[in-house]
Amino acid sequence: SQQGEEDPQALSIQEGENATMNCSYKTSINNLQWYRQNSGRGLVHLILIRSNEREKHSGRLRVTLDTSKKSSSLLITASRAADTASYFCATDPSNAGNNRKLIWGLGTSLAVNP
Amino acid sequence: GAVVSQHPSWVICKSGTSVKIECRSLDFQATTMFWYRQFPKQSLMLMATSNEGSKATYEQGVEKDKFLINHASLTLSTLTVTSAHPEDSSFYICSARTGNYQETQYFGPGTRLLVL
Repeated sequence: SQQGEEDPQALSIQEGENATMNCSYKTSINNLQWYRQNSGRGLVHLILIRSNEREKHSGRLRVTLDTSKKSSSLLITASRAADTASYFCATDPSNAGNNRKLIWGLGTSLAVNP
Repeated sequence: GAVVSQHPSWVICKSGTSVKIECRSLDFQATTMFWYRQFPKQSLMLMATSNEGSKATYEQGVEKDKFLINHASLTLSTLTVTSAHPEDSSFYICSARTGNYQETQYFGPGTRLLVL
């Protein structure tokens, strides 16, 4: 079942601008992950942030996590046309026991216009 | 590293036939594989969790007799859509992880199924 919610559902920006996507979730988590999906393709893991971390960077990506608000944001700086894709957050619930599986958000569709 | 392949990448079949999709971890052993279904412009829907050497765990609402999953080795899981119908047309994606406490899932490129 899907428990994550992302906003905005769709985002259109110009090349060079920053893109911010948000993700909210409902239960306590071990970690939160962001994935990218190009149209008609599989998903690529971008970054993982653990529940005891508040911010993480990877290249042009910056992820924050606020466990008190059960929310995360993904910032892509200096966007490029090649960043055009759908971005999904996924949470790893901490109460799953041996049945660990990711809970997926609905995704944000990002269009970066040249 | 951590490459997952799927075969075929796309398939068109007639209603009533069965279709088998393979998911392979190419450079690591996957104790757990996941099968997802995705409709256009929507998120992933987990269908089942497949553990090597044991029966798959299906999500609520997914017919196990319709979607047969076999995880016979640490590098191969198969999903068979039996007696496919047009409503089974979708994008099927598998993912794999190396162990129950390994955090990241590695995704295959997906298989697009069209049932006529």
